[in-house]
Amino acid sequence: NAGVTQTPKFQVLKTGQSMTLQCAQDMNHEYMSWYRQDPGMGLRLIHYSVGAGITDQGEVPNGYNVSRSTTEDFPLRLLSAAPSQTSVYFCASKPSSGGWGRVYGYTFGSGTRLTVV
Amino acid sequence: KNEVEQSPQNLTAQEGEFITINCSYSVGISALHWLQQHPGGGIVSLFMLSSGKKKHGRLIATINIQEKHSSLHITASHPRDSAVYICAVRRNFGNEKLTFGTGTRLTIIP
Repeated sequence: NAGVTQTPKFQVLKTGQSMTLQCAQDMNHEYMSWYRQDPGMGLRLIHYSVGAGITDQGEVPNGYNVSRSTTEDFPLRLLSAAPSQTSVYFCASKPSSGGWGRVYGYTFGSGTRLTVV
Repeated sequence: KNEVEQSPQNLTAQEGEFITINCSYSVGISALHWLQQHPGGGIVSLFMLSSGKKKHGRLIATINIQEKHSSLHITASHPRDSAVYICAVRRNFGNEKLTFGTGTRLTIIP
């Protein structure tokens, strides 16, 4: 089925461990992004990419790295997990607006619930 | 003050009632999105607006650019509408970043 696939759905890490959250989409969307969702707060943008080879920081990038080697994949790496990174992580994609004022909806993955102990 | 404010934070209503959820923003925007987050956590895009009004089934979304305000209406509400509804704004056409509200938790009682 077309959509955004996130893995894993659940993960428990110890402080200091590293891991990669996977995100893949099969809709040929140019734009991909990672968000974290914490209780009482809106979704916050971590990193985003407007196309293969292009990434940029969002609102809360510290402690996370990303790369975009293909259009389909946009992994999020936690280099040294901290309890403050306990959160639910969402990946989303959409076609690029292309600067022409077109508005497209986002397709979200099902989320990854990460706990750092 | 958050750039995107939603009201109410929580809303409980009886099945069949007309529902209104509000979103106010304090910055210039190029587009506004309404999202629905199911109790299981999944997020679905409902509407994307840059002006006027859109309708899909029992859902209606409106935006007033001058007033910096958008509303999401649900007619003939049903328990399956119970979810968190999230408003998000995009600042500029050349910038894809979204700023999110904290959401409105809607519960529809049978």
